[in-house]
Amino acid sequence: EPEVTQTPSHQVTQMGQEVILRCVPISNHLYFYWYRQILGQKVEFLVSFYNNEISEKSEIFDDQFSVERPDGSNFTLKIRSTKLEDSAMYFCASSSGRGGHNEQFFGPGTRLTVL
Amino acid sequence: AQSVTQPDIHITVSEGASLELRCNYSYGATPYLFWYVQSPGQGLQLLLKYFSGDTLVQGIKGFEAEFKRSQSSFNLRKPSVHWSDAAEYFCAVGASQYGGATNKLIFGTGTLLAVQP
Repeated sequence: EPEVTQTPSHQVTQMGQEVILRCVPISNHLYFYWYRQILGQKVEFLVSFYNNEISEKSEIFDDQFSVERPDGSNFTLKIRSTKLEDSAMYFCASSSGRGGHNEQFFGPGTRLTVL
Repeated sequence: AQSVTQPDIHITVSEGASLELRCNYSYGATPYLFWYVQSPGQGLQLLLKYFSGDTLVQGIKGFEAEFKRSQSSFNLRKPSVHWSDAAEYFCAVGASQYGGATNKLIFGTGTLLAVQP
């Protein structure tokens, strides 16, 4: 069964460092998403991406964040200069179509720890 | 503003007992509603979804949920819980920007289910 994969599963970094979180969405999906979950809090939407551009972003997704689809398979989230409060689980998701009735398939997440 | 409330942070049930997890939403139009389950170390797996039609929807693993517009609720139920159902359960509403190409999900805070033998 096709699935969304994410690497690494856990990343530890120093404050101020750049990190890149990687995701491989399901191969025939066209819509991609990043969410994050700070420990003990709800899962929050960060950004959605379609046709090589951002479709929607939340207020969390400031200039420190960027997303890219560098090739036909990967979808990345970059944080330019990490802060302590960026420590969270980051989930990638993908869907085949537009609209709320299309299921978003989630990856297992990358746990980012900023020291 | 769109929001989802899961009033129960933690629930413990005995194996074989029935289960109901509560979810209330706030959304201006007809919502798209979802229940996801997250097992430790795993991603979010879709249990079921509602977007139109029959207000009682069936999902995987024997779960069902009922959409009640008058109560703005979408409670998840299972008649007999198995030990393997122990996990965290998230209710979510699908929301979209006007004219936007995608729908973001707005999640509740989750309910952690423990199952006693």
